[in-house]
Amino acid sequence: GNSVTQMEGPVTLSEEAFLTINCTYTATGYPSLFWYVQYPGEGLQLLLKATKADDKGSNKGFEATYRKETTSFHLEKGSVQVSDSAVYFCALRIPNFGNEKLTFGTGTRLTIIP
Amino acid sequence: EAQVTQNPRYLITVTGKKLTVTCSQNMNHEYMSWYRQDPGLGLRQIYYSMNVEVTDKGDVPEGYKVSRKEKRNFPLILESPSPNQTSLYFCASGSGRAFFGQGTRLTVV
Repeated sequence: GNSVTQMEGPVTLSEEAFLTINCTYTATGYPSLFWYVQYPGEGLQLLLKATKADDKGSNKGFEATYRKETTSFHLEKGSVQVSDSAVYFCALRIPNFGNEKLTFGTGTRLTIIP
Repeated sequence: EAQVTQNPRYLITVTGKKLTVTCSQNMNHEYMSWYRQDPGLGLRQIYYSMNVEVTDKGDVPEGYKVSRKEKRNFPLILESPSPNQTSLYFCASGSGRAFFGQGTRLTVV
C-alpha cells in the first residue's frame, strides 16, 4: 500500500539554523506530494506541493524537491525563525476514482529557540 | 475568506452517548473528508464524500457515520462512542489543495 515515512522528532534548532526534515514515500502509481504545517491549536495548512518528478515546491522560504529515483520529498529551509515552530507533515495523494485521500506521515515537531 | 468550520472544538463525553461533530465549508467544494489524528500515527481518513449524497469509507470507518445532505455540510456522527475514539478530529474540504478545520478534540470516558 501507500505510505509516508518521516524523520522522527522532535527537532530543536537555534534561530537562523539550516533545517532539513526527511520524508520518503512508497506508492503505486504517480503520487502528488505535499508538506502541511500545523501551528499550535490550529488545523493543517498547505505549505507546499509538487505534482511530478523533479518539481520543486516552495513557500515562505521552505523548499522540497520531488525525487522519484530516491522516492523522497525532503523539506528544507536555509534560516529558520522562532515563528516556524510547528508540526510538519509530509503527505501524498494518488487519484483513486474520486477519493482525494491524503496519506500522511506521523509528523515532525519542530521547535526553534531564540 | 476560505473557511472550514468545525464544532465543537473540545468535547468530553461518556461511553455510549451519541454525538455529532459538525463541519461546514464556504468554498463550494464537492469533495470533503474526515480524519483523525493520533500520536505516532499521523492523520488517517475516516470517511469521505465526493458530492451531495455520495459518501464512502476511508481507512478507519468503524464506529463512525457521516451524511452529506447539502454541499456545505458534512457532519461526523458517533452513535455509541467508545474510549478508543478519543482523538483529535479534522474535517477537510477540497481536492488538489485541501483546507482543514481547526480540529475537534474529543475525549470519551
